[in-house]
Amino acid sequence: SQQGEEDPQALSIQEGENATMNCSYKTSINNLQWYRQNSGRGLVHLILIRSNEREKHSGRLRVTLDTSKKSSSLLITASRAADTASYFCATDPANAGGTSYGKLTFGQGTILTVHP
Amino acid sequence: DAGVIQSPRHEVTEMGQEVTLRCKPISGHNSLFWYRQTMMRGLELLIYFNNNVPIDDSGMPEDRFSAKMPNASFSTLKIQPSEPRDSAVYFCASMVSRTQYFGPGTRLLVL
Repeated sequence: SQQGEEDPQALSIQEGENATMNCSYKTSINNLQWYRQNSGRGLVHLILIRSNEREKHSGRLRVTLDTSKKSSSLLITASRAADTASYFCATDPANAGGTSYGKLTFGQGTILTVHP
Repeated sequence: DAGVIQSPRHEVTEMGQEVTLRCKPISGHNSLFWYRQTMMRGLELLIYFNNNVPIDDSGMPEDRFSAKMPNASFSTLKIQPSEPRDSAVYFCASMVSRTQYFGPGTRLLVL
């Protein structure tokens, strides 16, 4: 399976509920990032968490990272209809000796639908 | 800043024709990435540049695909000849501080 796999593939909730998406990866990373994509648009960066961080917050977003389990989660609290989008995790691999120039590996994404 | 600019936004062409997609990265960003997105294959990295130099083109599917970055403010992705299976949304992204900024994409349909 590929680096950066999201789970679930699709999530449907009501406005006001919390949404949790998970991401698993295989290799060592420098950081892990979450992006959002609205239908027909480009991806938008949401948050970056470094390998030495365990939790990070940005507004209604909370990201956790467990490097021992090679997994991350994105929590969106008090969801809104405008949060309806696809959410992707992306890993920035750690290179032993080389440099990745920021090359990211994206997962397949979680499609989140928030019903008003 | 206007963000990453891509043109055209939509392109419909016939099989065998040459297609050129254009990208203007955000000023000051020194890395540029070309991606292709389809329902079947998701988001695929085609090629990326650092300081206008191609670093990794292993994602370019075939010799029909080529990309250039003649200067820090412009890049092209060319498909010649195009085939129906090239139909996809092509994104350009530029990067600063390990964060990528995506353009709106070019939706390509090859008939």
